[in-house]
Amino acid sequence: SYVLSQPRSVSVAPGQTATISCGGTDIKSKSVHWYQQKPGQAPVLFVYDDTDRPSGIPERFSGSNSGNTATLTISSVEAGDEADYYCHVWDNSRDQTVVFGGGTKLTVL
Amino acid sequence: QAQLVESGGGLVEPGGSLRLSCTASGSIVSDSNMAWIRQAPGKGLEWMSYINKKGTTTYYADSVKGRFTISRDNADNSVSLQMNSLKAEDTAVYYCANLMTTLTIEDAFETWGPGTRVTVSS
Repeated sequence: SYVLSQPRSVSVAPGQTATISCGGTDIKSKSVHWYQQKPGQAPVLFVYDDTDRPSGIPERFSGSNSGNTATLTISSVEAGDEADYYCHVWDNSRDQTVVFGGGTKLTVL
Repeated sequence: QAQLVESGGGLVEPGGSLRLSCTASGSIVSDSNMAWIRQAPGKGLEWMSYINKKGTTTYYADSVKGRFTISRDNADNSVSLQMNSLKAEDTAVYYCANLMTTLTIEDAFETWGPGTRVTVSS
């Protein structure tokens, strides 16, 4: 089955840029979606189809997808960005299934 | 913005059953492909099941195949997850979510409910 690999944690100072990777075999051939989840809350969609943002999501959040790695980039990080971030793809290698990455805890120092 | 609300969670003994429901204001459920996703305490997200807008296509994670059944009632604007033969490892918060479009299955989960907690314990 398809596997997505994310770093367990990323730390960044306020105002700096955070990058969260999501690795998977030939992931560039898939559409990658990213969610933010704060403690005690439901996940929120932040990036879909590799690079697109839902309305209301700040431009500071951007996505890319190339080769075997998709990346969520958060520029000018703010304290309020501290959360868990999950990547998501669909895997149709056997039957349609959803694969989530293990999640990355973003800590704002 | 449309909202989804889950219900039906609670405490159940191993081997027992529960039926979760997901409803919404407006027609978001009846107009969308839908899914259930869960999150065990302190763990990441795990997809459970998918059902298309018409209710003619369903998919399940291997971990629940044969035990869980997803269904929908578009007239009632609701989607359900019947969970049988529950195990301790099914303990989690269960979320319903709609997919962004009905154009492709490989879509993002656009809107999530707040979740309903299921605890499987004797």
